[in-house]
Order: sequence, then C-alpha cells, then structure tokens
Amino acid sequence: GDSVTQMEGPVTLSEEAFLTINCTYTATGYPSLFWYVQYPGEGLQLLLKATKADDKGSNKGFEATYRKETTSFHLEKGSVQVSDSAVYFCALRGTGFQKLVFGTGTRLLVSP
Amino acid sequence: GAVVSQHPSRVICKSGTSVKIECRSLDFQATTMFWYRQFPKQSLMLMATSNEGSKATYEQGVEKDKFLINHASLTLSTLTVTSAHPEDSSFYICSAPTSGGAKNIQYFGAGTRLSVL
Repeated sequence: GDSVTQMEGPVTLSEEAFLTINCTYTATGYPSLFWYVQYPGEGLQLLLKATKADDKGSNKGFEATYRKETTSFHLEKGSVQVSDSAVYFCALRGTGFQKLVFGTGTRLLVSP
Repeated sequence: GAVVSQHPSRVICKSGTSVKIECRSLDFQATTMFWYRQFPKQSLMLMATSNEGSKATYEQGVEKDKFLINHASLTLSTLTVTSAHPEDSSFYICSAPTSGGAKNIQYFGAGTRLSVL
C-alpha cells in the first residue's frame, strides 16, 4: 500500500538557519503530495502541495518539489524563524482517492 | 478560505460516559469527512470515513460500536466515543475535502483533546 517516510526528529536549528526535512513516498500511479504543519495544541494546516511531477509547492518561504524519479518531496526553507517551530507532516493522496496517508511527522525546534 | 470547525476543543469526562465531538464545514459542503486519532508524538491514524446519508467506513481495527459516526448533513459529522475509558484519551481531529476530484484540498479542524479520568 501507499506509504510516506519522513526523517525522524526533532530537528533543532538556530534562527535564520537553512531547513530541510526529508520525505519519500511509495505509491502506485501519480499521487498528490502535501506538507501540513501542526502548531502546539492545534489541528493541521495545509502548508503547500504539488499535484504532479516537477511541480514546486511554496508558501510562507517554504518550498518542496515533487520528484518522481526519487519519489521524494523534501521540505526546505532558507531562513527559519522561531515561529516556525511546529510538527511538519508529509502526506500523499493516491490517484482517485480522497484519503490522505501521513508520515510520522517531524518536530522542528527553532531557537533564538 | 475553507474552514472546518471542531467542537469542543477539549473535554474531560469520567470513565463510562459518552462524549460527542462535532465537525462542521463552515463555508462549503462536504459529502465526506474524515476522523483521525493522534497519539502523543505520533502521526495521525485514520479512524473512519464519514459519508453523508450512508454508513461510515471504518479502518481496520477501529471498533464501530465504540466510535459512532453520524454524518447528519452536508456540513456536519459527529463522532461519539461511547463508554469512554482512559485508553480512549487522545487527540481527535476531523477533516473535510472541499470538492471531488484531484484538485480537492482537505481542511482540518483544530482537534479535540479528550481526557478520560
């Protein structure tokens, strides 16, 4: 079945550092890929998405490129802020389905 | 943008009581809604798919009689945890897709933290 693998956290960075959170997936067909963010005590918010190969999703300085050849969707940000501290979930939705399959989440901690 | 409202945000109850959690799509209709459970420091586990006008579809291992789901209208789904026990304590999150097809986006409620004493 479809699955998503994320790097384990926590990822601890200083403010203004470069961020990469790795995400790889296994799926048949052509899934859509998502990054969701969860701030403490809150539900999930869609951060960005990509629906086909080579698409780049971007939002709030975060970017991720749908790489079909490496089945990856790594999340990057050039300069993180303390307010970016949260748990980040990579997810996929298979072709023709509405259900999302989530990775285990990666906690990001940014210190001043 | 689309908003999904979940209520209550936090509930504390005694063991043996039932708890109802509501999930509403505020500015769009959702024929399907999803209920997730999140354990501490873990990912979201899909519990069931709520279908308006028909029975919910439960994931393997989820007790139908324990977690009752009712999709009463195109904007409301409810999850009732019946005869709650401490092991049911968790963070429950609902989501709803905005429309059908490949372009739909799932929006999530803010979650309900259930604590069973």
